[in-house]
Amino acid sequence: KAGVTQTPRYLIKTRGQQVTLSCSPISGHRSVSWYQQTPGQGLQFLFEYFSETQRNKGNFPGRFSGRQFSNSRSEMNVSTLELGDSALYLCASSLGPGNQETQYFGPGTRLLVL
Amino acid sequence: AQSVTQPDIHITVSEGASLELRCNYSYGATPYLFWYVQSPGQGLQLLLKYFSGDTLVQGIKGFEAEFKRSQSSFNLRKPSVHWSDAAEYFCAVAPPGTASKLTFGTGTRLQVTL
Repeated sequence: KAGVTQTPRYLIKTRGQQVTLSCSPISGHRSVSWYQQTPGQGLQFLFEYFSETQRNKGNFPGRFSGRQFSNSRSEMNVSTLELGDSALYLCASSLGPGNQETQYFGPGTRLLVL
Repeated sequence: AQSVTQPDIHITVSEGASLELRCNYSYGATPYLFWYVQSPGQGLQLLLKYFSGDTLVQGIKGFEAEFKRSQSSFNLRKPSVHWSDAAEYFCAVAPPGTASKLTFGTGTRLQVTL
C-alpha cells in the first residue's frame, strides 16, 4: 500500500506570495492532518480535516488555511508569505475519528521563503 | 494544556551500547503516547504507540517503551544500538480517544559512534 505522498517536495517563494501544498493520504484513510516543523518552534499542529470538514485547528494565523476533497486528498494554503513561514510542512493521514487511530506521515514539503 | 518534555537534546552512544531516551508529559488524564523517528530530510516514522493496557510496548526496529503513570513518563529503550539508528527521535502525546492532534516534544538527536 502506498504511503502518504506530498507535492511538491521543495518550494521556493518570496515574501508576500501565496503557496499551496498538496497531500494524498494512504488509500482508505479519511483524516488528514498538517504540521509545521521549524528549528525554533519544533513540530506544531496546524489543522486536521475529516470528511471535507475541519475537525481541529492549531494556533496559527488565518493566513494558514486548508481544505479536503471528497477523495480525502488535502491542500493547505499559506497567503502573504513571511520569512518565518520557511519550514518543513508535514502531512499525516489516519483512518479517521475513533479510538486508537494512528497517524502516518508523509515525507514533507520543504518551503523556503526569501 | 498538554506538554511533552524531552530533556536530552543530543545523545551520543557507541554502536552496540544500550539506549534510553527520556520523555515526560503533562496532561490531565493519561494521553495516547507515541514515539516517532525522523532521519535527515525525511518525514516521521512511527516506532511505537501506547493507548492502554500493558505498560511495556514493543515497536519496530527493536525499540520498546515503558509507560510509567506515577512518573508521567514514556521512555524509549533499545538494548543494542546500530549505526543506522542515528536520527532524531520525537515523543508525542494526543488526547485520549483520538490521535489526530499530536503534541510533540522538542526531539532528541541520537548520534552513534562506531
